Amino acid sequence: EPEVTQTPSHQVTQMGQEVILRCVPISNHLYFYWYRQILGQKVEFLVSFYNNEISEKSEIFDDQFSVERPDGSNFTLKIRSTKLEDSAMYFCASSEGQAASSSYEQYFGPGTRLTVT
Amino acid sequence: GQNIDQPTEMTATEGAIVQINCTYQTSGFNGLFWYQQHAGEAPTFLSYNVLDGLEEKGRFSSFLSRSKGYSYLLLKELQMKDSASYLCALPPTGNFVFGPGTRLSVLP
Repeated sequence: EPEVTQTPSHQVTQMGQEVILRCVPISNHLYFYWYRQILGQKVEFLVSFYNNEISEKSEIFDDQFSVERPDGSNFTLKIRSTKLEDSAMYFCASSEGQAASSSYEQYFGPGTRLTVT
Repeated sequence: GQNIDQPTEMTATEGAIVQINCTYQTSGFNGLFWYQQHAGEAPTFLSYNVLDGLEEKGRFSSFLSRSKGYSYLLLKELQMKDSASYLCALPPTGNFVFGPGTRLSVLP
């Protein structure tokens, strides 16, 4: 069964450093998402991406964050200068369609646990 | 905006039936999803309701009342592996807004 994959599974970085989290969405999916979950808290939407551009972003997704689809398979989230409060599990997700279509169940990757020290 | 409420924790016994409720307010409705999340793992899809009524899928069923802003997830014949958080989610514009989740503990 196709699945979303993410690398690395765990990333430790020092405050102020740049990190890139990588995701490979399901191959025939067109919509890509990043979510984060701070330990013990709810899953929060960060950004969605379609047709090589951001389609929606939340208040969390400020200028420190960027996303890119550098090739036909990878989808990346970059945090330019990490802060302690960026420590969280970051989930990538993808879907075939979006709202009001019949196939927009989102499939989540296993997550990358980011620890900022 | 969106607001989603769920009970924080529930406990049930193996073999029993449990109902997890979700109430919501939203400016745009494109259906309601239920996801299961085991600790430290990704959410996995359980059900999707866009019309009023009950959708049954094996041991899990989900109910929706759009007029009441209310949904529930019904788990039958509980198993120990059902111990997890259950997340109610709305995609008002296609991007999910998740509820706080209900942590279910299944006891032997």
